[in-house]
Amino acid sequence: DAKTTQPPSMDCAEGRAANLPCNHSTISGNEYVYWYRQIHSQGPQYIIHGLKNNETNEMASLIITEDRKSSTLILPHATLRDTAVYYCIVRGNYGGSQGNLIFGKGTKLSVKP
Amino acid sequence: DAGVIQSPRHEVTEMGQEVTLRCKPISGHNSLFWYRQTMMRGLELLIYFNNNVPIDDSGMPEDRFSAKMPNASFSTLKIQPSEPRDSAVYFCASSLAGQATEAFFGQGTRLTVV
Repeated sequence: DAKTTQPPSMDCAEGRAANLPCNHSTISGNEYVYWYRQIHSQGPQYIIHGLKNNETNEMASLIITEDRKSSTLILPHATLRDTAVYYCIVRGNYGGSQGNLIFGKGTKLSVKP
Repeated sequence: DAGVIQSPRHEVTEMGQEVTLRCKPISGHNSLFWYRQTMMRGLELLIYFNNNVPIDDSGMPEDRFSAKMPNASFSTLKIQPSEPRDSAVYFCASSLAGQATEAFFGQGTRLTVV
């Protein structure tokens, strides 16, 4: 089972920041938080990941709380092309498996003009 | 690199037939994942290989499903015999081994079993 909880859907106005929350209250110390998105009928696309510190790349920013029990993905200026399902994933080292990627239901983000 | 390449993109087959889905991972990647996606069940991990060895196949639904990775550049997912409930989009993904690496997904194979 997925180890994360996300709201099923969110709306965002075009040009505004989209803030997508994720709860992962049972995260272990060596587990990373990953974000992927899936635009309709395409394969999932990697966005960003982090362990403890906040991270930023050309696509988004990831804010992880100090206790690491939750995080927020921020799309600073959402466009219509950012409409997708966003998945928050906790990824660890399960024995010798070196990290399965288990997807939950995600958040369907709708960016509106 | 062309990314993860899956074939075919679409497959329609009759119930009871054997179906083989193919995946070519990104060169140099040593982890490979097979997923199945349906509206009802979402994106499910079927099996995960590391250095061509199956590490976790707990998601394989039943004995009708089998996956192989004969070398680092090729993997197959076979369904024999196929059933209508196997209709789904099947994704392959690859990454470098380790927990702090991103996985790249192919475009998927849409399987329809009639």
